[in-house]
Amino acid sequence: DAGITQSPRYKITETGRQVTLMCHQTWSHSYMFWYRQDLGHGLRLIYYSAAADITDKGEVPDGYVVSRSKTENFPLTLESATRSQTSVYFCASSEGTVLQPQHFGDGTRLSIL
Amino acid sequence: LAKTTQPISMDSYEGQEVNITCSHNNIATNDYITWYQQFPSQGPRFIIQGYKTKVTNEVASLFIPADRKSSTLSLPRVSLSDTAVYYCLVGDMNTDKLIFGTGTRLQVFP
Repeated sequence: DAGITQSPRYKITETGRQVTLMCHQTWSHSYMFWYRQDLGHGLRLIYYSAAADITDKGEVPDGYVVSRSKTENFPLTLESATRSQTSVYFCASSEGTVLQPQHFGDGTRLSIL
Repeated sequence: LAKTTQPISMDSYEGQEVNITCSHNNIATNDYITWYQQFPSQGPRFIIQGYKTKVTNEVASLFIPADRKSSTLSLPRVSLSDTAVYYCLVGDMNTDKLIFGTGTRLQVFP
């Protein structure tokens, strides 16, 4: 089925470990986004990508790394996880510009102990 | 880029019209305003988008005054299924910058 899928849905890890969150979309949308959602902060943009091999920082990029070797995939890596990165992470995609409606995945709930 | 402010929560009853306002005092010329709806354990879903004046679709209306320093999402005749968190988003097409509001939790009672 067409759509945007995130994996895993839930993840528990320890501080200092590397963890990668996966995002895959089947629409061939050019734009993809990663957000984190925390109580009291709403959704904050971490990184986004306008096309394959093009990425840019959002509002809160520190501690995260992204790549986009293929249009359909946009993984997010925490190279050395910290407790402050405990959050719910959402991936989204849109066609054309950032103003086009974004289609969100169901999120990954990440807990860092 | 404009910082956005929304009320934390609102209550309503079924059948009433609900208006949720988002303040964006520093909105720039190239910024557009978009609203999303989010249910628990799901990602946000697009509702409506506008630049100025009024926009209407099958589920909502968006009112933007001439100075564009605020916007109001209007939900006509809400039902229990409209209970959700509503976010406004200010985005600039030229700079690719996006700022979400902190969200308004709408609770609809029977």
